[in-house]
Amino acid sequence: DAKTTQPTSMDCAEGRAANLPCNHSTISGNEYVYWYRQIHSQGPQYIIHGLKNNETNEMASLIITEDRKSSTLILPHATLRDTAVYYCIVRVKQTGANNLFFGTGTRLTVIP
Amino acid sequence: EADIYQTPRYLVIGTGKKITLECSQTMGHDKMYWYQQDPGMELHLIHYSYGVNSTEKGDLSSESTVSRIRTEHFPLTLESARPSHTSQYLCASSPSLGLETQYFGPGTRLLVL
Repeated sequence: DAKTTQPTSMDCAEGRAANLPCNHSTISGNEYVYWYRQIHSQGPQYIIHGLKNNETNEMASLIITEDRKSSTLILPHATLRDTAVYYCIVRVKQTGANNLFFGTGTRLTVIP
Repeated sequence: EADIYQTPRYLVIGTGKKITLECSQTMGHDKMYWYQQDPGMELHLIHYSYGVNSTEKGDLSSESTVSRIRTEHFPLTLESARPSHTSQYLCASSPSLGLETQYFGPGTRLLVL
């Protein structure tokens, strides 16, 4: 699975858009980009995923560059409850185990 | 909201005791996982299962064992707890079809004295 690089931490003002970048320059053609987040003391929560097209759901938007070497998770109107560690993971769907390799992620702090 | 449950949520126990951490899901998922996470650190996969009667070791070596006798149930057992086992244990499940998004339980925080 491709390695990802994320900033260690970011701050965002409440109500503003939070843009979380992720570099995955060694991603291969059949690898998907997943985003999860982990709020303090809780289990990780799935946010969104994509292959090459931009995606949007009720939680966030995912923008993937045309060369697929990087992506950005966008929380359009950050709230205090969005304070969490955000993980960018790239992996291919396998017929066997689907274990996710969590790195250190980006610690997002939403400031009032 | 995912239907995956872990009990107990918190456990404080003495060295040498046998413990079992419970994980159950009601989504009918074939695949289940156990991760271990120390405070402020990365999650590490310690066990996974493709389905009933299937169990495999994960990336991080662990003295714990698991069993999968029923689809919905994936308990983790430590035969003799030690302080080095103090950590948070997170259970997850995913379907076998589609993109296999993982759904996590709330975790069990274990403290071994």
